[in-house]
Amino acid sequence: GDSVTQMEGPVTLSEEAFLTINCTYTATGYPSLFWYVQYPGEGLQLLLKATKADDKGSNKGFEATYRKETTSFHLEKGSVQVSDSAVYFCALISNTGNQFYFGTGTSLTVIP
Amino acid sequence: DTAVSQTPKYLVTQMGNDKSIKCEQNLGHDTMYWYKQDSKKFLKIMFSYNNKELIINETVPNRFSPKSPDKAHLNLHINSLELGDSAVYFCASSRGGNSYEQYFGPGTRLTVT
Repeated sequence: GDSVTQMEGPVTLSEEAFLTINCTYTATGYPSLFWYVQYPGEGLQLLLKATKADDKGSNKGFEATYRKETTSFHLEKGSVQVSDSAVYFCALISNTGNQFYFGTGTSLTVIP
Repeated sequence: DTAVSQTPKYLVTQMGNDKSIKCEQNLGHDTMYWYKQDSKKFLKIMFSYNNKELIINETVPNRFSPKSPDKAHLNLHINSLELGDSAVYFCASSRGGNSYEQYFGPGTRLTVT
């Protein structure tokens, strides 16, 4: 079945460091891919998405490119801030559109 | 306006009790979900409803019963609460289809003592 594998955390970075959180997926057909962010004490919020191969999703300085050849959707940010401290979830929705799969989440802490 | 709302935000109760969590969305979405998030932040889908019909029912105890009175509401009733039910429960909604993201509620933190 479809699945998402996400790099384990926790990740701790200094402010202005470069961030990469790896995400790979297994799916039949052409799923849509998402990154969600969960700030402490809150629900998940959509960060960015890509719906077909080679699409790049971007938002708030974060980017991720849908790579079908490597079945990956890695999250990157060039310069993290303390306010980026949160848990990040990679997710996919299946080709049939009725199954959502989340990764296990990666906790990020950015220190000043 | 809150897109997806849940009540209550916190729920503390004793083992053996029955409790309900309510969810409402004002986005006009057709599909709603319940997720359970454990202490390690792992998210597990429990149920999904599309236009008031159950479409996903993952392996959860029979003590959990979702009810959708209309497509804007999806409530979760839990009978005979157990210590292991302690978690944060999230409601979400989406338009359905494979391009549309889910919108999450703020969560209900359930503590069973």
